[in-house]
Amino acid sequence: EPEVTQTPSHQVTQMGQEVILRCVPISNHLYFYWYRQILGQKVEFLVSFYNNEISEKSEIFDDQFSVERPDGSNFTLKIRSTKLEDSAMYFCASEWSSYNSPLHFGNGTRLTVT
Amino acid sequence: KQEVTQIPAALSVPEGENLVLNCSFTDSAIYNLQWFRQDPGKGLTSLLLIQSSQREQTSGRLNASLDKSSGRSTLYIAASQPGDSATYLCAVRGRLTFGEGTQLTVNP
Repeated sequence: EPEVTQTPSHQVTQMGQEVILRCVPISNHLYFYWYRQILGQKVEFLVSFYNNEISEKSEIFDDQFSVERPDGSNFTLKIRSTKLEDSAMYFCASEWSSYNSPLHFGNGTRLTVT
Repeated sequence: KQEVTQIPAALSVPEGENLVLNCSFTDSAIYNLQWFRQDPGKGLTSLLLIQSSQREQTSGRLNASLDKSSGRSTLYIAASQPGDSATYLCAVRGRLTFGEGTQLTVNP
């Protein structure tokens, strides 16, 4: 069964550094998402992306965050200047039809900011 | 703002029991509701998707129901097995909003 794949599985970075989290969504999917889960807390929506642009973003997704689909397969989340509170598990998700199909999640990237 | 609550937060049962996990949401204007399973340190595996016009969905030993008007969903797991041990999350669309999850332990 097709999968959403995320790399790396674990990223350690120093405060203030830039990080790029990478995702390869399922190939025929059109809608892409990033979520995060701080340890012990709920999974939270960050951003949705369709047709090469952001369709919705949460209050968490401030100017430090950006997303890109640089080619036909990758979907990236960039954090420009990481803060300690950015430490979390980041999940990428994709679906082929907004609201009408199940959302498929990757295994996540654990980001640790020191 | 949509709020999703799951009860109980944790559940421990002996193998073979049938069990029910509960999910409630505050805004009934949803497109659908999805149940996920999360194993420790892993991603989210989709179990069942119920559209807002549907009342229930079944997959194997899992049955999920949806009562949109009362803002409730239940996930029924029949004949539980140790391999069912995981955290179960429900989430509602518009913007996918998650509950805190129910941590299930099935003891052999």
